[in-house]
Amino acid sequence: GQNIDQPTEMTATEGAIVQINCTYQTSGFNGLFWYQQHAGEAPTFLSYNVLDGLEEKGRFSSFLSRSKGYSYLLLKELQMKDSASYLCAVMDSNYQLIWGAGTKLIIKP
Amino acid sequence: DTAVSQTPKYLVTQMGNDKSIKCEQNLGHDTMYWYKQDSKKFLKIMFSYNNKELIINETVPNRFSPKSPDKAHLNLHINSLELGDSAVYFCASSHEAATIPDTQYFGPGTRLTVL
Repeated sequence: GQNIDQPTEMTATEGAIVQINCTYQTSGFNGLFWYQQHAGEAPTFLSYNVLDGLEEKGRFSSFLSRSKGYSYLLLKELQMKDSASYLCAVMDSNYQLIWGAGTKLIIKP
Repeated sequence: DTAVSQTPKYLVTQMGNDKSIKCEQNLGHDTMYWYKQDSKKFLKIMFSYNNKELIINETVPNRFSPKSPDKAHLNLHINSLELGDSAVYFCASSHEAATIPDTQYFGPGTRLTVL
């Protein structure tokens, strides 16, 4: 079956750096997405990786290793507003998005 | 100037009732989706429409029927509501057809509670 794994919850300190990991096993691969979802709100797009390597976008970076079925989202200079759930999603060979359950990130002052 | 909008935001109803959720996007996108997010926070695709044609139907009970009057609208009608239908339902849209990797833009969600 298809599976996306990410930690359920992480805690970090304001101003610090945090890395959220995602491993996947899917039937085919057409890219990996990271979305941010604040409590009670809709998911919003953060990044898309389809080639191996690091994509940097401001304070957020996303890394992909297709051979390892692994990605991470790196958040730098954490701010209180970064407290949210971070969803990893893989587009499979049928171009369907397979979603992880999300990682709830708690930022402490 | 809302990109993807849904109504209602909250819906509380009794078991056995029939209800509809409406979705509209003003992004000019070709593809629209309905997702269900359950209490465990997994997002599960229910339907996808590309230019008013259904292209995905993921083992969803036939009590759920999507209707797309035009490519800017995708409504979800639910018959004979059950307790297990309680969840947050998200509408989303993307520019390209659902056979090309593309960013999906989500509506604010409809929290459905079946009593």
